[in-house]
Formats: sequence, structure tokens, C-alpha cells
Amino acid sequence: QQPVQSPQAVILREGEDAVINCSSSKALYSVHWYRQKHGEAPVFLMILLKGGEQKGHEKISASFNEKKQQSSLYLTASQLSYSGTYFCGTEPGNTPLVFGKGTRLSVIA
Amino acid sequence: DAGVIQSPRHEVTEMGQEVTLRCKPISGHNSLFWYRQTMMRGLELLIYFNNNVPIDDSGMPEDRFSAKMPNASFSTLKIQPSEPRDSAVYFCASSLRGSGNSPLHFGNGTRLTVT
Repeated sequence: QQPVQSPQAVILREGEDAVINCSSSKALYSVHWYRQKHGEAPVFLMILLKGGEQKGHEKISASFNEKKQQSSLYLTASQLSYSGTYFCGTEPGNTPLVFGKGTRLSVIA
Repeated sequence: DAGVIQSPRHEVTEMGQEVTLRCKPISGHNSLFWYRQTMMRGLELLIYFNNNVPIDDSGMPEDRFSAKMPNASFSTLKIQPSEPRDSAVYFCASSLRGSGNSPLHFGNGTRLTVT
């Protein structure tokens, strides 16, 4: 079952913050976040495992609420380089990742 | 580390022709995945190998699609015969383990156009 991401697209000015949400109808073992720039391959950002942990990657962090079967990606003080499509990938239990349809993030000067 | 290597980068073919996509995973990774990406459906898992053995091919759309992994360093995805609706970007990815606590490393993809 494909996770649902929201919003589908967002436009930010440099320095603004954004939140991207990912929700699943199934109980989750882990959530992955990837970023894909136009014409390139998806690149791994971080994994969150069961336990409600938060992780950070530069000014990008994420949380995972396993009870709500949701994860959120937080982008703080966005930079032009943050532009791209962000995908969450969910894993209900020792199976390959199922990806959401992505959130297109555009950061403008 | 050369990363996951896919070939060709672009493939343009006519409907009905056979297409073979190739992938070399990262050395030491024991799981390999083939994904297809389209605007409408996003990233779809086609098939997944663990230790060269196909584990889950439920995502393969039709019998026209087949995949092999004859050894730990090579995999192919074949479409025969190809159709225009197969046009998409096909990604190969590998990971250290097949479970969810291992990141996926994607190749640069093959952009397939079937006319």
C-alpha cells in the first residue's frame, strides 16, 4: 500500500521552513526519506526506525510516530540546493520499500 | 566506490522490439531492486532479489517483463515485446541488506522510450 505524502508541491523562498508529511495505512517498521533532483537518481537522506526517533541531516530533520503510522520531514532555513522531489519510503515489515508519489519542493531566491 | 551502474542511460526503441536493461550493484550488497518511475504512478517496485534469488516479483506488470540475476554483480531486466506504455525511467538499486534499516543506493536510471 503506497504511503500518502502531503503536500504534493510547495514553493519556498530561501530561508523559509517547510514540513512534508508521509502517512501509511499499515503499521510500519521503518520510514526512509530520499531526495531526487530533476534528471537524477533518488539520494538517501535518512532512515527512521520504530521508537519515535528523530534524526537530522544538516538542517533537515525528521520524526516518526509509529502509533499514528506517520513521518514528517522538516526543512529549516531552506537553501536553493534543497529544491527537488522528496520521497518517503515505508516498510511494513522486512519487505522492500514502497514509495509515496513525492513532494516537489522549489526554493526560490 | 563506483556506486550502482546502469546501462544504457537512454534507450529508444520501436514497439515490439526486445529491450534489455543492465545493472551492476555495489560490491558487497546482497539485495537488488528494480523500480520503474512514471509521472502518474511514481516509483513502483518491479522485482527484488536477495542473494541473487528473486524474492518478490509481484510488481512485474506482465509476462513481457522478466529479470535475472545470474551472479552477485550483474542483473538484467528484459521487456519482450516492448510497448509504448512501457516508456518510463527504470532504476536499479542495491542495499546491504533487504530489510528496512539499510538505505537504498540507486543507479542513474535508464530512460526508456518506446515509439
